[in-house]
Amino acid sequence: QSALTQPRSVSGSPGQSVTISCTGTSSDVGAYNYVSWYQQHPGKAPKLMIYDATKRPSGVPGRFSGSKSGNTASLTISGLQAEDEADYYCCSFSGSYTLMFGGGTKLTVL
Amino acid sequence: EVQLVESGGALVQPGGSLRLSCAASGFTFSSHWMTWVRQAPGKGLEWVAHIKQDGSEKYYVDSVKGRFTISRDNAKTSLYLQMNSLRAEDTAVYYCGTVGSSWSQLLYWGQGTLVTVSS
Repeated sequence: QSALTQPRSVSGSPGQSVTISCTGTSSDVGAYNYVSWYQQHPGKAPKLMIYDATKRPSGVPGRFSGSKSGNTASLTISGLQAEDEADYYCCSFSGSYTLMFGGGTKLTVL
Repeated sequence: EVQLVESGGALVQPGGSLRLSCAASGFTFSSHWMTWVRQAPGKGLEWVAHIKQDGSEKYYVDSVKGRFTISRDNAKTSLYLQMNSLRAEDTAVYYCGTVGSSWSQLLYWGQGTLVTVSS
């Protein structure tokens, strides 16, 4: 059970857009639309930002969007704001009722 | 208001045991799969275990199979994680979470409880 692959870090200036990728295999990301993204600020619990690859829970700003193509899912944050600076984790259902997380990406707002 | 409150984290010696609890309120606990996710210091998230609404199905990450047991008490709206044969690599903050209507919805999270395995 290897973790999904995410870039260690990304950065952008306020107002810009950034995209974080999450690469898995045909047994997890590629097999199911059960991909989610979590935002985690230091010392805090993770927060669900995207589920079912593209859906936004109520209360999550429309600046956050998700997509998936083949074995790779992506999280795009448009109109970056200072409070978006956090760690982001992707997660995929990987069969047999198991979940797999990515290694996490640190987003820095310059 | 939904609340998940973990407790039971402590410093324990290698080979020891610990039982974590998660008290839930503000939602229909018995209607949801529940999960434990952990995060080693300075590291990423790792799914640990799931349990079905009625406790009849349980699933674990390979690294804890045979050592950890997830359970629940719907009458007490509580989730548990019994951890035996603890290893240094089990050191982490343990979060309980609620699975929503989809397998990709870890909808609600607790604040976490720290387990440290060290001699």
